[in-house]
Amino acid sequence: AQTVTQSQPEMSVQEAETVTLSCTYDTSENNYYLFWYKQPPSRQMILVIRQEAYKQQNATENRFSVNFQKAAKSFSLKISDSQLGDTAMYFCAWGYGNKLVFGAGTILRVKS
Amino acid sequence: DVKVTQSSRYLVKRTGEKVFLECVQDMDHENMFWYRQDPGLGLRLIYFSYDVKMKEKGDIPEGYSVSREKKERFSLILESASTNQTSMYLCASSLKRGATYEQYFGPGTRLTVT
Repeated sequence: AQTVTQSQPEMSVQEAETVTLSCTYDTSENNYYLFWYKQPPSRQMILVIRQEAYKQQNATENRFSVNFQKAAKSFSLKISDSQLGDTAMYFCAWGYGNKLVFGAGTILRVKS
Repeated sequence: DVKVTQSSRYLVKRTGEKVFLECVQDMDHENMFWYRQDPGLGLRLIYFSYDVKMKEKGDIPEGYSVSREKKERFSLILESASTNQTSMYLCASSLKRGATYEQYFGPGTRLTVT
């Protein structure tokens, strides 16, 4: 069965600094998708960034970028210039077909 | 923008009650999902549906059932609520069957069973 592991239950970062959240996964599939979702306190979960496994180029969305290492089955999220509004639970997810498999999440606190 | 709504943000029920959680999406998505979210466990899939009246079990279907009579609406039913079903329940939808699309989430229902 596919599994997704987020080894950092909680992290904190100073405003304007850079932080990296780690994610590893296990799969025997070759073509799949990877996602990072953000769940702010008491608010709806939203997509941060998405990566197709067949693409070697790392996805970026403004201050958010990923380091995708397919052979190592690693998919880390880098947040640059952290802002107070980045405080949230972040979930890594692996996707194939209709389904997503989620990690346990990392709580990120941005401090002023 | 896709909008996924859930009938209640907070719900308190007694052990043994039948509980209905409703989810509605407004973007004509084929797929709809029910997850439960627990600390340290992330999101776990309970059931999903890829069409009206179609459903498939997820990873933790025991104690739950679902209903999808209309494309836009997907209901989660707890036939006889138990305290171990106290959790956050998230509904999601995605565009089409057979491919991996972004899932859009509702705000969640925090259910407490006493």
